[in-house]
Amino acid sequence: GDSVTQMEGPVTLSEEAFLTINCTYTATGYPSLFWYVQYPGEGLQLLLKATKADDKGSNKGFEATYRKETTSFHLEKGSVQVSDSAVYFCALSASPSIYFGTGTSLTVIP
Amino acid sequence: DTGVSQNPRHKITKRGQNVTFRCDPISEHNRLYWYRQTLGQGPEFLTYFQNEAQLEKSRLLSDRFSAERPKGSFSTLEIQRTEQGDSAMYLCASSLEGGGSKQYFGPGTRLTVT
Repeated sequence: GDSVTQMEGPVTLSEEAFLTINCTYTATGYPSLFWYVQYPGEGLQLLLKATKADDKGSNKGFEATYRKETTSFHLEKGSVQVSDSAVYFCALSASPSIYFGTGTSLTVIP
Repeated sequence: DTGVSQNPRHKITKRGQNVTFRCDPISEHNRLYWYRQTLGQGPEFLTYFQNEAQLEKSRLLSDRFSAERPKGSFSTLEIQRTEQGDSAMYLCASSLEGGGSKQYFGPGTRLTVT
């Protein structure tokens, strides 16, 4: 069945460091891929999405590229800030439901 | 901006009791979803509605769970004869119709079964 595997955390980085959170997927067909973020005490929010191969989703300095050949959708940010501390979930859409990874907790220290 | 709201935010109940949660989606969204999230895991799909019709249910949704959306607006999720394993965060989301449509999540109801 459809599933998502993402890098386990927790991840701790210093401010302005480079971030990569790995995500790979297994799916029949051509799903849409997402990164969701959950800030402390808040609900899940869509961070970015890509709907087809080679699409790049981007938002708030985060980027992820839909790689069909490697079935990956890694999240990257060139310079993280303390305010980026949150739990990040990779997900794929097998409409109508969404399959989520287990989440990666990121802490950015000043 | 009225997003997805859920009530109550927290519920503590004793094993064997019944509980009911409510979700109010974004008003123009015709799709509504329920997910369950346990500690250290990502949300798991439970069921979804298109308008008032419940169109899909996960195998996770045992016969003790029932969801309704009687008028195609708010939805309720009831758990009968709660078990300790039901302790989790129950998330509701809504979206417009269409594959890949963005789902907007509510803050969740945290259930603790003692």
